[in-house]
Amino acid sequence: AQTVTQSQPEMSVQEAETVTLSCTYDTSENNYYLFWYKQPPSRQMILVIRQEAYKQQNATENRFSVNFQKAAKSFSLKISDSQLGDTAMYFCAFPNFGNEKLTFGTGTRLTIIP
Amino acid sequence: GAGVSQSPSNKVTEKGKDVELRCDPISGHTALYWYRQRLGQGLEFLIYFQGNSAPDKSGLPSDRFSAERTGESVSTLTIQRTQQEDSAVYLCASSRRDRAYNEQFFGPGTRLTVL
Repeated sequence: AQTVTQSQPEMSVQEAETVTLSCTYDTSENNYYLFWYKQPPSRQMILVIRQEAYKQQNATENRFSVNFQKAAKSFSLKISDSQLGDTAMYFCAFPNFGNEKLTFGTGTRLTIIP
Repeated sequence: GAGVSQSPSNKVTEKGKDVELRCDPISGHTALYWYRQRLGQGLEFLIYFQGNSAPDKSGLPSDRFSAERTGESVSTLTIQRTQQEDSAVYLCASSRRDRAYNEQFFGPGTRLTVL
């Protein structure tokens, strides 16, 4: 069974600082995707970034980037120049082979302090 | 274009009553997923529909839970004889399933409270 672990229940940083959220996972698959989703207080889940396992280059989307370590099964999210609007729950997610249902971690509650 | 919509936004019911939750996926999305999110936790998969194929019901927690979808349109999640442990946010997601990666687009969820 696939598992996703997020070991940081809560984090807080000052506005404009950089923060890294950690995620580890377990799978027997070789080719797969990994996702980070953001869930603000509105409850709307929003895809932040995705990483393809067969690509060695780490994915980047503006201020968001990942550090993907396939051998270690680690997939951390770095947020640079953090903004107040980044305050949210962040979930790491792994799609099941076949039906693509997502297995989610328990989330990290991130608070950006003005 | 319009995103995934869900109704109602909030539902309060008494223990033992039946509830129906509705999901309108993005037009053209063949795949539809239901997830449950208990307070302070991640999302748990409930059920998956893909086109006209038989649904994957492997995540449904008990036979009190059921879901239907007509073609590639609206889906309804029904919980019979609700229990207090059913209190959670129920999220629906849809996707196109025509790309190498399967980006799921989520609705705003229905918060269910069972008294």
